[in-house]
Amino acid sequence: KAGVTQTPRYLIKTRGQQVTLSCSPISGHRSVSWYQQTPGQGLQFLFEYFSETQRNKGNFPGRFSGRQFSNSRSEMNVSTLELGDSALYLCASSLGQLNNSPLHFGNGTRLTVT
Amino acid sequence: AQKITQTQPGMFVQEKEAVTLDCTYDTSDQSYGLFWYKQPSSGEMIFLIYQGSYDEQNATEGRYSLNFQKARKSANLVISASQLGDSAMYFCAMRENPGSARQLTFGSGTQLTVLP
Repeated sequence: KAGVTQTPRYLIKTRGQQVTLSCSPISGHRSVSWYQQTPGQGLQFLFEYFSETQRNKGNFPGRFSGRQFSNSRSEMNVSTLELGDSALYLCASSLGQLNNSPLHFGNGTRLTVT
Repeated sequence: AQKITQTQPGMFVQEKEAVTLDCTYDTSDQSYGLFWYKQPSSGEMIFLIYQGSYDEQNATEGRYSLNFQKARKSANLVISASQLGDSAMYFCAMRENPGSARQLTFGSGTQLTVLP
């Protein structure tokens, strides 16, 4: 079974631009979450989608948005990029609603804002 | 207060020896889950082991075991017979159960280096 696939792996953008990151979950997984990882703040939750609905959102400005499609694939968008948005963005999918369902992560997209 | 605390920024272990990575957590929920993930330099987060708050037995997965002490709110990861490939960043994470929220809260991680 294929794992979580994130594209692209690397991205370089300049301040003020916008970026879209893509995530394909494991087949059959309907929940997709996004996390931002930086050396200073560690791993921080961005948002979670289930069946095309955003179920939860972390403490990030409105410049960060996302969506989920009917095939469970998800995209994350960051508008008006700032230098501090440079980070590894990790997408994760999970199978069910149970508390013990682990998140399965992709390799991440490393975004550099210059 | 931090919800997940990993007090060891870096650890070294000799190949074939066992190592314990510490994790303490803070929650007022009765139902919660604790997870350990491994992150090699490639960036991918690899799920290792899960422990539920109501599980009476410590979780084990191959060379990984979780030393769960509920009263102390600790969930230490034990890696037996360390291998060079175990060198990576290790994260402890918790999922609380307030309704249907499924997000994980992560600790700051422990960088493990296995020495030959």
